[in-house]
Amino acid sequence: DQQVKQNSPSLSVQEGRISILNCDYTNSMFDYFLWYKKYPAEGPTFLISISSIKDKNEDGRFTVFLNKSAKHLSLHIVPSQPGDSAVYFCAASGQGAGSYQLTFGKGTKLSVIP
Amino acid sequence: DSGVTQTPKHLITATGQRVTLRCSPRSGDLSVYWYQQSLDQGLQFLIQYYNGEERAKGNILERFSAQQFPDLHSELNLSSLELGDSALYFCASSVTSGYEQFFGPGTRLTVL
Repeated sequence: DQQVKQNSPSLSVQEGRISILNCDYTNSMFDYFLWYKKYPAEGPTFLISISSIKDKNEDGRFTVFLNKSAKHLSLHIVPSQPGDSAVYFCAASGQGAGSYQLTFGKGTKLSVIP
Repeated sequence: DSGVTQTPKHLITATGQRVTLRCSPRSGDLSVYWYQQSLDQGLQFLIQYYNGEERAKGNILERFSAQQFPDLHSELNLSSLELGDSALYFCASSVTSGYEQFFGPGTRLTVL
């Protein structure tokens, strides 16, 4: 039972345009959401996060939107750059029993074409 | 560089064997998490330690165990290895009550 789903395994975007990566979740106990970026042969790198009390969080070119009623979040990258090409993982957490374990989606491979 | 170190980077072993993966968290982080990433699965949470004590367990097999030492480094022990245990194993750390986890570069385990 996949609690965090990234339904697009891959996405190609032209340099300078907007990249939109989507993520859906099923567990209503999740109250914190994160995006990680991963290059081959490296560990995931934390990108941006959002608490369930907010619906938007921005950090430079990256913006995460949260729609709690739809149990959906998205990551917008504007403008997209070739260095953004990587696998992006959506993750969710709920503070159950004091643990902050993350539940990950399977990732979306973003290719930014120069 | 996340500040989390993992050794070894690569490990090749045979079925039935036992291996130990090591993780040093970022300076000041008390929580250590272990995750497994296999080919057909995303990152799966295995186990969490906080300041030396087990805090949460995920999809960790009984053949696997972990511990966190007084200096806060952690070890993941995998025994009676099977072909299906071949995967990337990541360690992550976080501050006392932080959601953001910082990942190490991983250990690639190949079981032949």
